[in-house]
Amino acid sequence: AQSVAQPEDQVNVAEGNPLTVKCTYSVSGNPYLFWYVQYPNRGLQFLLKYITGDNLVKGSYGFEAEFNKSQTSFHLKKPSALVSDSALYFCAVRDIAGASKIIFGSGTRLSIRP
Amino acid sequence: DSGVTQTPKHLITATGQRVTLRCSPRSGDLSVYWYQQSLDQGLQFLIHYYNGEERAKGNILERFSAQQFPDLHSELNLSSLELGDSALYFCASSVGPSEKLFFGSGTQLSVL
Repeated sequence: AQSVAQPEDQVNVAEGNPLTVKCTYSVSGNPYLFWYVQYPNRGLQFLLKYITGDNLVKGSYGFEAEFNKSQTSFHLKKPSALVSDSALYFCAVRDIAGASKIIFGSGTRLSIRP
Repeated sequence: DSGVTQTPKHLITATGQRVTLRCSPRSGDLSVYWYQQSLDQGLQFLIHYYNGEERAKGNILERFSAQQFPDLHSELNLSSLELGDSALYFCASSVGPSEKLFFGSGTQLSVL
């Protein structure tokens, strides 16, 4: 069965510093991996995805994520955090070989202090 | 605006009642996913439909059912409601399985 874990409930970063939000996954085959962001009282918005190819994926709002197959990780990163990046971030995975369900992690609340 | 429409935005009802949540996917999207978001359980996958057919099921309770109609809109039916069913229910649509999901703004269900 596929699963995804976000080990940190909250990440606190000073504005201008780099940020990392961690995600690890488990699938029986190869994964499709996604990051989404949720602002208060809103639905989730797509940030980026990894399907195949280059392990470093670039997405919206200056975010990027690195796929590491040996560590089964897909950490979200940004070189310089903005206060406006403060939100709830979700990692998601779909097993290419399995059923078509897309499973989300528990979410990480990112707080950027001025 | 994601292009996914969910109605109603808010629903307040009593235990034991039945409600129907509606989702209209983006134009051209054949896949519809339903998720339940609660504070203690995060975002839980309920069910996935593709072009009218059920494709995957998550930990969806037997009291819950869903369907996707020929015009591709979907409905999630929740019956014999319990206090614990209070949550934000999201619908999302996509073109295909490797494509990103577009989420609606959700239906906030409160069971009193």
